[in-house]
Amino acid sequence: AQTVTQSQPEMSVQEAETVTLSCTYDTSESDYYLFWYKQPPSRQMILVIRQEAYKQQNATENRFSVNFQKAAKSFSLKISDSQLGDAAMYFCAYNSGGGADGLTFGKGTHLIIQP
Amino acid sequence: GAGVSQSPSNKVTEKGKDVELRCDPISGHTALYWYRQSLGQGLEFLIYFQGNSAPDKSGLPSDRFSAERTGGSVSTLTIQRTQQEDSAVYLCASSLLGTETYLIYNEQFFGPGTRLTVL
Repeated sequence: AQTVTQSQPEMSVQEAETVTLSCTYDTSESDYYLFWYKQPPSRQMILVIRQEAYKQQNATENRFSVNFQKAAKSFSLKISDSQLGDAAMYFCAYNSGGGADGLTFGKGTHLIIQP
Repeated sequence: GAGVSQSPSNKVTEKGKDVELRCDPISGHTALYWYRQSLGQGLEFLIYFQGNSAPDKSGLPSDRFSAERTGGSVSTLTIQRTQQEDSAVYLCASSLLGTETYLIYNEQFFGPGTRLTVL
């Protein structure tokens, strides 16, 4: 079974600074998808960024980028120029690509933005 | 509607009562997913529907949990004889296509969840 591990229960960063959230995973598959989701207090899960395992290039979405190390099974999220609106729970998630499997989530990292 | 909706937003019930949680997926989305988010277990995948069919129900926590989907649209998650450990946020998501299509991923869009509190 696949597992996703987020070792940082909480992170704090000054506004406008850069922060990196860590995630490792375990799978025997060669093709899969990795995600970072943001969950603000409203509970709505919002997809931040997605990485296809077959792509060597790291995904980027505006201020959000990932460092995907397939051999190390590592998938970290870098948030540049942190903003107050970035404060939320961040979840790393895995999916094999088969719809029936659902998403496997890590325990989450609570990101605090200091003004 | 524009997004996935869930009702009720919050539900407080007494131990032993039955509850029904409803999910309205995005129109046209054939795949629907239920997840449970609790303090102890984190986010767990419960069940997946492709159309009205749920091929694998093994993710449901116990036989007190059941789910159905009718008309390829609305889904209901029913918990019978609720227990305090059932207290959690129940999230629903939908995607356009759920069947495995190699190297094509269909994003799951989440609803706001139902917070269930069992007293």
